Amino acid sequence: QKEVEQDPGPLSVPEGAIVSLNCTYSNSAFQYFMWYRQYSRKGPELLMYTYSSGNKEDGRFTAQVDKSSKYISLFIRDSQPSDSATYLCAMSVSGGYNKLIFGAGTRLAVHP
Amino acid sequence: DADVTQTPRNRITKTGKRIMLECSQTKGHDRMYWYRQDPGLGLRLIYYSFDVKDINKGEISDGYSVSRQAQAKFSLSLESAIPNQTALYFCATSDSSVVGGGNTIYFGEGSWLTVV
Repeated sequence: QKEVEQDPGPLSVPEGAIVSLNCTYSNSAFQYFMWYRQYSRKGPELLMYTYSSGNKEDGRFTAQVDKSSKYISLFIRDSQPSDSATYLCAMSVSGGYNKLIFGAGTRLAVHP
Repeated sequence: DADVTQTPRNRITKTGKRIMLECSQTKGHDRMYWYRQDPGLGLRLIYYSFDVKDINKGEISDGYSVSRQAQAKFSLSLESAIPNQTALYFCATSDSSVVGGGNTIYFGEGSWLTVV
């Protein structure tokens, strides 16, 4: 079993929809949770970062961590075609970048 | 110009050949990383370097070697390429070893390597 599971999709939604992207994990020691966005033929870029449990909001994006369920989510409100990308979750016990465990990524397509 | 530059961006090589992927950065970061991305497996760390004299193996270092020629340059070598090393390779940099406090990791645009 992988430490971090993520549905690869693809997920196709109409413009304006609310998108929910999720990851589950097995290591209860994870404390640092991140979401990366990766456009086609580009490197991943950090979208959201959360330490421990709770919610974090940044514009149209909300990251949620539920440590009791070992489940993290990324919500995108009012989705736009420019949100079409692959979204990768990543997590770490100590916060070290050399210890990041990535999910496989979910491919999202937002159509006009 | 990109802050983290990888060369070549695409390469097809034959089994058994030596291949080097190069990375240079203009961000002034002291920490550099090489990742490999495969469909369904996400990103996996191959090697990382916290400064010029500090090189460490990552999760999947077998079959790879690295060289940190300068603070800004970090190269990845496949001494004898095999088909299952066909993947997308990313170089990355950070100015701190840990997440948080605004620190983040910056990825290059990737190098597609196909071993036939």
